[in-house]
Amino acid sequence: EPEVTQTPSHQVTQMGQEVILRCVPISNHLYFYWYRQILGQKVEFLVSFYNNEISEKSEIFDDQFSVERPDGSNFTLKIRSTKLEDSAMYFCASSVNRGLAVDREQFFGPGTRLTVL
Amino acid sequence: ELKVEQNPLFLSMQEGKNYTIYCNYSTTSDRLYWYRQDPGKSLESLFVLLSNGAVKQEGRLMASLDTKARLSTLHITAAVHDLSATYFCAVPRYRTSGSRLTFGEGTQLTVNP
Repeated sequence: EPEVTQTPSHQVTQMGQEVILRCVPISNHLYFYWYRQILGQKVEFLVSFYNNEISEKSEIFDDQFSVERPDGSNFTLKIRSTKLEDSAMYFCASSVNRGLAVDREQFFGPGTRLTVL
Repeated sequence: ELKVEQNPLFLSMQEGKNYTIYCNYSTTSDRLYWYRQDPGKSLESLFVLLSNGAVKQEGRLMASLDTKARLSTLHITAAVHDLSATYFCAVPRYRTSGSRLTFGEGTQLTVNP
């Protein structure tokens, strides 16, 4: 069964460093998302991406964040200068959003745990 | 702004007992999702509820959606230890260019022998 994959599973970085989190969405999906979950808290939307551009972003997604689809398969989240409060689990998700309503369901990857020291 | 509230946030129950988790949301939506999350793991899709009155069952879990009341329930029947996890409901807000999910705070369920 197709699934969303993410690398790395765990990233440790120093405050102020840049990190890139990588995701490979399901191959026929068209819509891509990043969410984050601070330990013990709920899952929060960061950004959605469609047709090679950001379609929506939350207030969390400030100038320190960027997303890219550098090739036909990868979808990346970059944090330019990490802060302690960026420590969280970051989930990538993708969906088809076409045809049947059920196709709007988002499928989540396993997550990348980011630890900023 | 869409708000999604779950209750209870923590639930400790005995094996074999029944209980219901509630999910209320603040703006109109015709669909809702339930996810399960084990500690340190990703979100596992449990139910996709697509219309008012939708009811779905999988094993000991049953979910329902009342769009008029803006309420979804996740009912647990005869709980077993394997159901221990955190359960999230999520409500989508759709645009033509995609959608975003707003999650509830989660209900941490512990089933004790």
